[in-house]
Parts: sequence; structure tokens; C-alpha cells
Amino acid sequence: AQSVTQPDIHITVSEGASLELRCNYSYGATPYLFWYVQSPGQGLQLLLKYFSGDTLVQGIKGFEAEFKRSQSSFNLRKPSVHWSDAAEYFCAVGSGNTGKLIFGQGTTLQVKP
Amino acid sequence: DGGITQSPKYLFRKEGQNVTLSCEQNLNHDAMYWYRQDPGQGLRLIYYSQIVNDFQKGDIAEGYSVSREKKESFPLTVTSAQKNPTAFYLCASSTGQGWETQYFGPGTRLLVL
Repeated sequence: AQSVTQPDIHITVSEGASLELRCNYSYGATPYLFWYVQSPGQGLQLLLKYFSGDTLVQGIKGFEAEFKRSQSSFNLRKPSVHWSDAAEYFCAVGSGNTGKLIFGQGTTLQVKP
Repeated sequence: DGGITQSPKYLFRKEGQNVTLSCEQNLNHDAMYWYRQDPGQGLRLIYYSQIVNDFQKGDIAEGYSVSREKKESFPLTVTSAQKNPTAFYLCASSTGQGWETQYFGPGTRLLVL
């Protein structure tokens, strides 16, 4: 069965430091992969997505993610974190052809001044 | 502005009561989705609809019901059969054409009195 694992439940980084959030997936075919961000008490906003082609994907707010098929990973990165990046981040994989998404458990990012 | 609206923001349910969560979109999207979010569990799919007058169960449909009589609307009823309804409920929509982005509403938090 398809699944998504985000190994880190909570991460704290200093403002200006680099960030990497991990995501591992289990999917038999070529995956459709997404990263969403959620501010407290709000809905989700798409940061970026990977369907095919270049394995390094650029998103909004200065985020990027790299698809590594050999490692079944789709890690999210940002070179310099801002205090406004504090939020919960979800990795998701598209399941079948129905538009269904399977989400990871989420990683909460805290940014220290 | 185009988007997804959910109401109410907070909803209180008494024991044995059915409650209905509203989801409306003006994006002209064919597909709509309902997710339940619990701390540490990510988002789980309750029901989804790819077209008017048709919908399918997701992974945790027991205790919930939906209707899709209009393209713009996809209300979710939490029935008395749902024994643990306290959660954050998110509605989403997409064009339904392949793997297009799902756009999320701001969510409804359901609490049990």
C-alpha cells in the first residue's frame, strides 16, 4: 500500500540557517509528490509538486525539493529560513488516478530568533 | 476572489447529534474532497467526489455522509455513529483533470460538548 513517512515530528532551526525536511514514500509506480504548508488553524497551501522531468523542483517562498527515486525520498529544502516559515509541513503522494492524496504525519517547524 | 469557503469555523456537537459542515467553492472545479486532521496523524481522506451526483468513500468514511447536488457545494455530515468526531476538518477541490493541485479551505474545528 502507498504510504508517506516524515521521520521528524518537530524541528527547530535558527533564523537564517538552512533547512531540510525529510519525506520518504512507498509507491509502486512513478509517484506524484507534493509538499504543503499549514499555518496554525489554517488550511493547506501548496509549496511545490513533482510529476516528472527535472528531479529538482522549485516552489514558492524560496523552497525547493529533490526527488531521489533510488532513496524513495522527496526532501524539502530552503537555504535560509525566515521566522515566517514557522508552520507545519506535509508531504503527500498521489494515489492512483482519482486525485486522492496520501499525507505524511507532518513536521512542525519552529524558528528561533 | 476565487476560493474555497468552509463554515462554520468552530462547531460544537452534542452527544447523539448530527452536524453538517459546509464547503463551497467558486473555482469551477469538478473534484472535491473532505479530509480529517488529527494531531500527529496528518490528513486522512473521508469522502471525495469527482463529479456532481457522484461520490466515493475514502479511508475513514464510517460515521460520515456527504452529498454533491451542486458543483459548487460538498457538505459533510458527521453523524451520531462517529464516536470520536473531535478533529479539524478540511475541504479541498481540484479540476479533477489528472494530478492538478488540490486547493484547501480554511477548515472547521469540530468539538464535542
